[in-house]
Amino acid sequence: KQEVTQIPAALSVPEGENLVLNCSFTDSAIYNLQWFRQDPGKGLTSLLLIQSSQREQTSGRLNASLDKSSGRSTLYIAASQPGDSATYLCAVGFKTIFGAGTRLFVKA
Amino acid sequence: NAGVTQTPKFQVLKTGQSMTLQCAQDMNHNSMYWYRQDPGMGLRLIYYSASEGTTDKGEVPNGYNVSRLNKREFSLRLESAAPSQTSVYFCASSDFIWQPQHFGDGTRLSIL
Repeated sequence: KQEVTQIPAALSVPEGENLVLNCSFTDSAIYNLQWFRQDPGKGLTSLLLIQSSQREQTSGRLNASLDKSSGRSTLYIAASQPGDSATYLCAVGFKTIFGAGTRLFVKA
Repeated sequence: NAGVTQTPKFQVLKTGQSMTLQCAQDMNHNSMYWYRQDPGMGLRLIYYSASEGTTDKGEVPNGYNVSRLNKREFSLRLESAAPSQTSVYFCASSDFIWQPQHFGDGTRLSIL
């Protein structure tokens, strides 16, 4: 059974810092991997999707990488801003299995 | 641009009552999904519909039924609600199952 783990569970950083969020999965035979953000009381917003044949995707200050052989993905956020404060979730496969998320707080 | 619309936003039920959660998307997407989100358990897939006319079970389908009414609408039914089904329910859609998913704002359901 696929299991998805996100480390750390929570993270507090000063504004401007570059940071990395981690996602690991137990079954490397994944279809794709998505990164989402969730603001309190809201639904999820898709940030990046990496297909199984891809190694990374970039959107603005965000870069996501995928290493299927090691069962890992990272989300890199450059020059963090207070508006980046949210919970970040990774999910694998089209029968989407989610990690528990990383709660990020960026201090002004 | 409404995206994914869920109704109702809040609902309180008594144990044993039935309820249908509605979801509609206006993006002409082929695939739709229902999730529940619980503290400590994260988001879990209940059912999904890869295309109009098809539905498949996700991770936690027991106690739920779904209907893909047409391409726009995907409903989730609780036939006999139980306290364990107290949760926040999210509907999502994507162009195809391998494409990014777009989420609604959720339905907060309490079962007493």
